[in-house]
Amino acid sequence: GAGVSQTPSNKVTEKGKYVELRCDPISGHTALYWYRQSLGQGPEFLIYFQGTGAADDSGLPNDRFFAVRPEGSVSTLKIQRTERGDSAVYLCASSLTQGQQRFFGQGTRLTVV
Amino acid sequence: TQLLEQSPQFLSIQEGENLTVYCNSSSVFSSLQWYRQEPGEGPVLLVTVVTGGEVKKLKRLTFQFGDARKDSSLHITAAQTGDTGLYLCAGHHGSGNTGKLIFGQGTTLQVKP
Repeated sequence: GAGVSQTPSNKVTEKGKYVELRCDPISGHTALYWYRQSLGQGPEFLIYFQGTGAADDSGLPNDRFFAVRPEGSVSTLKIQRTERGDSAVYLCASSLTQGQQRFFGQGTRLTVV
Repeated sequence: TQLLEQSPQFLSIQEGENLTVYCNSSSVFSSLQWYRQEPGEGPVLLVTVVTGGEVKKLKRLTFQFGDARKDSSLHITAAQTGDTGLYLCAGHHGSGNTGKLIFGQGTTLQVKP
C-alpha cells in the first residue's frame, strides 16, 4: 500500500475485554514496530519484528500484551484483560529493513472504559 | 532506563520569531532523529544525525548533534504557522543496529499568526 495502515482508527472497549489492533505495513518492508503513545508524551517502544520473528519485545509492559506477524507482513497487537491504563494511541511503523527510515501509521486510539 | 529529556515541553510564539528546542540525555547515542507529529497522525522523520558535532539544515530548520553525542538541538528561524506541531527527538544506542528507538516526551510548538 501507499503507507502504513492501522485499523481500527478508534476502539472503545470495556475493562477486562480482549482487543486486537491491526497494522498493514508498506509493501516490501521487512521491519515492523509497535509503539504506544499517551497524551502529551512521546511514543514508547513496545516490540519490533524483523520478518516473522519478534527481534525485540522488551517494551511489552506485561504478559497481557502480545504481538504476531505470522507471514512477515500484517501484524496484530493483542491485549488481554484490558485495563484503563492501557488507554493510549498505539502506533505502528515499518521500514524497508531494520535501520532504515521508519514510516508511521496514523495510529489506533484505544479507550478502555 | 536511557531517557531523552526535551525542553521546553510547550512553546507558544508569534509568527516570525526564532526558537530552539533541546534534547538531552546522560547516555551516548549512536544516532539521533527528529520527528514532527500533527494531531491524529504518526510522527514524520525530519532528519537523522550521526556524527558528533554534525549540523544539518532543512530550509528554516537547523539540527545539531552535540560533540559527545548526548544531546541535540533544533532551531527554527522565522517560524510560520505551518510549523505548529509536536516535535520529537529519538535516539538509538550502541551500534545503532537495533530496532529500539527511544523517544523524548516531545515539545509542543504553537505558532500564532
